[in-house]
Amino acid sequence: DGGITQSPKYLFRKEGQNVTLSCEQNLNHDAMYWYRQDPGQGLRLIYYSQIVNDFQKGDIAEGYSVSREKKESFPLTVTSAQKNPTAFYLCASSMSGLSYEQYFGPGTRLTVT
Amino acid sequence: GNSVTQMEGPVTLSEEAFLTINCTYTATGYPSLFWYVQYPGEGLQLLLKATKADDKGSNKGFEATYRKETTSFHLEKGSVQVSDSAVYFCALAGGTSYGKLTFGQGTILTVHP
Repeated sequence: DGGITQSPKYLFRKEGQNVTLSCEQNLNHDAMYWYRQDPGQGLRLIYYSQIVNDFQKGDIAEGYSVSREKKESFPLTVTSAQKNPTAFYLCASSMSGLSYEQYFGPGTRLTVT
Repeated sequence: GNSVTQMEGPVTLSEEAFLTINCTYTATGYPSLFWYVQYPGEGLQLLLKATKADDKGSNKGFEATYRKETTSFHLEKGSVQVSDSAVYFCALAGGTSYGKLTFGQGTILTVHP
């Protein structure tokens, strides 16, 4: 089945540690996105990539980093510089940067204590 | 820039009641409009979309009409079911946010038997 996988579903880290969230898609989509979701708020865009080896900052990129070395993969690293990292993180993909129809993964809930 | 405003929630209804969730937007140009649904613990799924003024998107009994004159895209369903309990997000793409989605804050819907 084609889709987007995110792992793990739940992740716990100590403050001061970097952590990398995985996102893989087998939809052959060119564009991929990372969003952050906090209670009572909509989704906020962290980073997006419209093509391999290229990515752009979204609205809340500070304290995060990404890479796009393969079309299928778009990992997100939450660094120790992110002041409030505890949140639900969602990865999405679309056929291209021109296509607005995005497909979402199941999400990773990150808790930092 | 682009913005989306949804009605405050949570919304609580009895089964078979009529549902309306209001959504208004601000954007330049001619954005595409979407409703996404998020079931507990899951990622978002596209529910319906409309790409130009007066278009009606529909899916699973839900409908929304793209009203440019009132900059609105209200979600409606004639008879809700318990299984419709979820968080609903209005979103837009286009205008100044080429290739990116802008989300509203989400509306929690709970349907009781």
